Amino acid sequence: KAGVTQTPRYLIKTRGQQVTLSCSPISGHRSVSWYQQTPGQGLQFLFEYFSETQRNKGNFPGRFSGRQFSNSRSEMNVSTLELGDSALYLCASSIAGTGLETQYFGPGTRLLVL
Amino acid sequence: EDQVTQSPEALRLQEGESSSLNCSYTVSGLRGLFWYRQDPGKGPEFLFTLYSAGEEKEKERLKATLTKKESFLHITAPKPEDSATYLCAVQGTGANSKLTFGKGITLSVRP
Repeated sequence: KAGVTQTPRYLIKTRGQQVTLSCSPISGHRSVSWYQQTPGQGLQFLFEYFSETQRNKGNFPGRFSGRQFSNSRSEMNVSTLELGDSALYLCASSIAGTGLETQYFGPGTRLLVL
Repeated sequence: EDQVTQSPEALRLQEGESSSLNCSYTVSGLRGLFWYRQDPGKGPEFLFTLYSAGEEKEKERLKATLTKKESFLHITAPKPEDSATYLCAVQGTGANSKLTFGKGITLSVRP
């Protein structure tokens, strides 16, 4: 079974631009979560989507948004990029998001903001 | 708010030198504790889930244990390929509770 895939793998943007990252979960998985990983803060939760609805949200500004499609694929968008947004963005999927479920991570998208 | 603290931040071992990685947590009702391994430039790879105090799980040279306040990842006779960052995360029992991660422990095993 194919794992979680994320595109693109690497991205370079400049301050003020916006970016959209994509995540395809493991087949049959309906819950998708997004995380930001930086050396200083570690892995921080951005948001979770289940059945096209945002079910949980972390403490990030409104510049960070996401959505989920009917096929469970998800996108996250960051508008008005800042230098501090440079990070590894990870997507994780789980089967049904109904409770304690193992999340399986993709390889991440490395975003560099100049 | 759920909190996870991992120690030490970095650990250097000689091949064959066993050791333990610590994960201390505070959570209002533990639903589960997770261990992941992350190699440079890759996403975290799932290792174990522990649900209740006293539980233990093993996989090859790794053994995870859980108490009411902390979890240990014991590495027996490590090999250079065990070098990676090991992440611990908890999920509480609150509605739609999210995973809270520690900052990880970077393990380096010298041949």
